[in-house]
Amino acid sequence: GAVVSQHPSWVICKSGTSVKIECRSLDFQATTMFWYRQFPKQSLMLMATSNEGSKATYEQGVEKDKFLINHASLTLSTLTVTSAHPEDSSFYICSPPRDTQYNEQFFGPGTRLTVL
Amino acid sequence: DAKTTQPTSMDCAEGRAANLPCNHSTISGNEYVYWYRQIHSQGPQYIIHGLKNNETNEMASLIITEDRKSSTLILPHATLRDTAVYYCIVRVPSNYNLTFGKGTLLTVNP
Repeated sequence: GAVVSQHPSWVICKSGTSVKIECRSLDFQATTMFWYRQFPKQSLMLMATSNEGSKATYEQGVEKDKFLINHASLTLSTLTVTSAHPEDSSFYICSPPRDTQYNEQFFGPGTRLTVL
Repeated sequence: DAKTTQPTSMDCAEGRAANLPCNHSTISGNEYVYWYRQIHSQGPQYIIHGLKNNETNEMASLIITEDRKSSTLILPHATLRDTAVYYCIVRVPSNYNLTFGKGTLLTVNP
């Protein structure tokens, strides 16, 4: 299956700081990247979709100026949480769609963000 | 994508078969049934999928009813490492924007 990595795997930061999360597709070129977040004891919710070389699209209720997404290359998409607050504490997961025999969809290992 | 209904939680003894049900009564003709699982603090992992025939792979078996309104994921010999939240998602394969429900928390007990 496709290999997707995320860095860091976990991060703790102070309120008001910015945190960058990297997502890399290691064995294929991803023109699109889905970003999900998962609050404790809840399911994954799609936040935004990034597209290589163009602006990301955000789901309703997700602040585009707070969650900056950059998809500058076909193997790297980044999510920056700006001026993080405790309510941004969550598990962030990226997922690059890939045309495969089964279109099974692959996911990164996730990044646990804790804002103090 | 069609909506699915799954039990909130299930328990299974280690070594026994785990049977996880899913109702998807509004499934469309071109939608497949996909199963994923999420082990605690990890990203979701694909398990298996099917359209109308029963399917089996190295991880699990998928039984889909003839009317396609429900399905069952079977882990034939559950281990402690199978403890996870299992998600049943019906989707058109070309739609990569997955909608996750609450899933079923399967707890495998020693």
